[in-house]
Amino acid sequence: QTVVTQEPSLTVSPGGTVTLTCASSTGAVISGNYPAWFQQKPGQAPRALIYGTANKHSWTPARFSGSLLGGKAALTLSGVQPEDEAEYYCLLYYGGAPPYVFGTGTKVTVL
Amino acid sequence: EVQLVESGGGLVQPGGSLRLSCAGSGFSLSDHYMDWVRQAPGKGLEWVGRTGNKAYSYTTQYAASLKGRFTISRDASKNSLYLHMSSLKTEDTALYYCVRGNFYAGSIYPPFDYWGRGTLVTVSS
Repeated sequence: QTVVTQEPSLTVSPGGTVTLTCASSTGAVISGNYPAWFQQKPGQAPRALIYGTANKHSWTPARFSGSLLGGKAALTLSGVQPEDEAEYYCLLYYGGAPPYVFGTGTKVTVL
Repeated sequence: EVQLVESGGGLVQPGGSLRLSCAGSGFSLSDHYMDWVRQAPGKGLEWVGRTGNKAYSYTTQYAASLKGRFTISRDASKNSLYLHMSSLKTEDTALYYCVRGNFYAGSIYPPFDYWGRGTLVTVSS
């Protein structure tokens, strides 16, 4: 059973920078896993932020960026705003059964 | 404007059945892979299953943990997606999201770009 692991929680100061990572139990995350990232605020549905490692949706703020870092997928928030406080999930594509797996989620606190 | 609206959730006893609906607007569901994702209270996101688009004959795929208890279907005339759940267990209690998935190699669409607001299923006696 494939497990996708994220940091349980991270804290960042307003205006600061924080990097979230997404690791796969099968080995290094590669571009072929097409990493995607989602933001979920309390009481709301998840909102797509990043797809295909680093591509942004039309609604994604410029301060969010995606990359591959040290065998993991990464989401970097630069110039963090109070409204960025949320839970963040990654999603990795494997193409088999199951075809993709969500990460465990990272709670980002802006303090 | 793309919208997905789920309905059909509610309280059901263990062993019971329920059918969730997802009505789409602003696009044709038939052209897209569609997924169901659930989230138990206070927990993370869990993929439930998906159905391919018309070009892929609406093939379905499910999370192994469901062991055949859930089935996804469509009604193109209503631009709707359904999740048929049977032999429900207390651990199926969750908010169920309908998602425009399109997460497959070669897709021209961004994956998981639109989500509904979810419908809550509570399995309890």
